[in-house]
Amino acid sequence: DSGVTQTPKHLITATGQRVTLRCSPRSGDLSVYWYQQSLDQGLQFLIQYYNGEERAKGNILERFSAQQFPDLHSELNLSSLELGDSALYFCASRRDIMNTEAFFGQGTRLTVV
Amino acid sequence: DQQVKQNSPSLSVQEGRISILNCDYTNSMFDYFLWYKKYPAEGPTFLISISSIKDKNEDGRFTVFLNKSAKHLSLHIVPSQPGDSAVYFCAAIPGGNTPLVFGKGTRLSVIA
Repeated sequence: DSGVTQTPKHLITATGQRVTLRCSPRSGDLSVYWYQQSLDQGLQFLIQYYNGEERAKGNILERFSAQQFPDLHSELNLSSLELGDSALYFCASRRDIMNTEAFFGQGTRLTVV
Repeated sequence: DQQVKQNSPSLSVQEGRISILNCDYTNSMFDYFLWYKKYPAEGPTFLISISSIKDKNEDGRFTVFLNKSAKHLSLHIVPSQPGDSAVYFCAAIPGGNTPLVFGKGTRLSVIA
């Protein structure tokens, strides 16, 4: 158990809809990262939050947004969903120390039909 | 532009032999490298890491080698076991509290 909790584990929704993925980081970790893994692709970095503020942005579509709340949990909002958004979405958290590993949740598998 | 490349999508090794997984990177600013292991339906799990000031780090059956001049690192698993069958991701950090940059992964199959 990595200590990072993601809900829901599976999500099936129709094109055009909006969904929210939730992540609770490990206790004490201030940084939260969101990654997307599509079929046969590596882990693509989407966005990072640190202590409630956006720290870094990767290949995140404008239809996607995220936030980190005062209790440090984070939500990734995906709107106007398209078939191509079907993927595994992972959240990871990390201590704010130089050169440490990130711990990943089990992921949310999103299927857009 | 892929900064971390794992050029072998898959690797098959017999149980008890050595598994060697390779990774190349292009960004000279990377100063910390990690390997993750991923089973189906699970999140990636941290395996081993190495700082750019070292050329080798060992943890049990797992050893990571770093060749900075060649911008290349490798993960050696000796001896390989069937339970090692998984997808292995190489990742790199340019330092500080920055996002990990991942390769596309190599699927290792260890055959009994």
